[in-house]
Amino acid sequence: AQTVTQSQPEMSVQEAETVTLSCTYDTSESNYYLFWYKQPPSRQMILVIRQEAYKQQNATENRFSVNFQKAAKSFSLKISDSQLGDTAMYFCAFMKHGSGGATNKLIFGTGTLLAVQP
Amino acid sequence: DTAVSQTPKYLVTQMGNDKSIKCEQNLGHDTMYWYKQDSKKFLKIMFSYNNKELIINETVPNRFSPKSPDKAHLNLHINSLELGDSAVYFCASSHRGGGAGSGNTIYFGEGSWLTVV
Repeated sequence: AQTVTQSQPEMSVQEAETVTLSCTYDTSESNYYLFWYKQPPSRQMILVIRQEAYKQQNATENRFSVNFQKAAKSFSLKISDSQLGDTAMYFCAFMKHGSGGATNKLIFGTGTLLAVQP
Repeated sequence: DTAVSQTPKYLVTQMGNDKSIKCEQNLGHDTMYWYKQDSKKFLKIMFSYNNKELIINETVPNRFSPKSPDKAHLNLHINSLELGDSAVYFCASSHRGGGAGSGNTIYFGEGSWLTVV
């Protein structure tokens, strides 16, 4: 069974600074997807970034980038130039590469609560 | 236009009641899901449907009955509500994928906050 671990329950960063959120996972699969979702106080789940395990290049989305280390089973999220609107709970998630989307199932970590301080 | 919309957003009800949460997606996806987020904010899948067919049922009590009238809708009916059912319920959708591209990305609704008193 797959597991996702986020070892930092809470983090704090000053506005405009850079912060890195950690995520490790355990799987015997060789082909899979990894995601970071953001959940602000409104509770909506917002996709931040996605990484395919077969791609060596780290995914980036504007101020958000990942450090994907497949051998170490590590998938950290870096937020550059932090903004007050980045304050949220961040969830790391794993999805096995299935034979069809119908078997898609996200396995979530326990989340990291990020507070951006003015 | 909200891509994945759920109603109601907030629901307070008494133990023993029956309630439903509705979900609709306008993304053209053929797979829909229900996830539950408990009081500790842990998220876990409950069900998934593909083209109206139940695919995943994650050991959910049979008081929970999903219904998919078509591939754009997935409703969740809960019978005999218990205190432990209090949670945020998220509907989500995706394309049936399996290869490269965004087919495996799951998009979530805004959540329905259920409180059982």
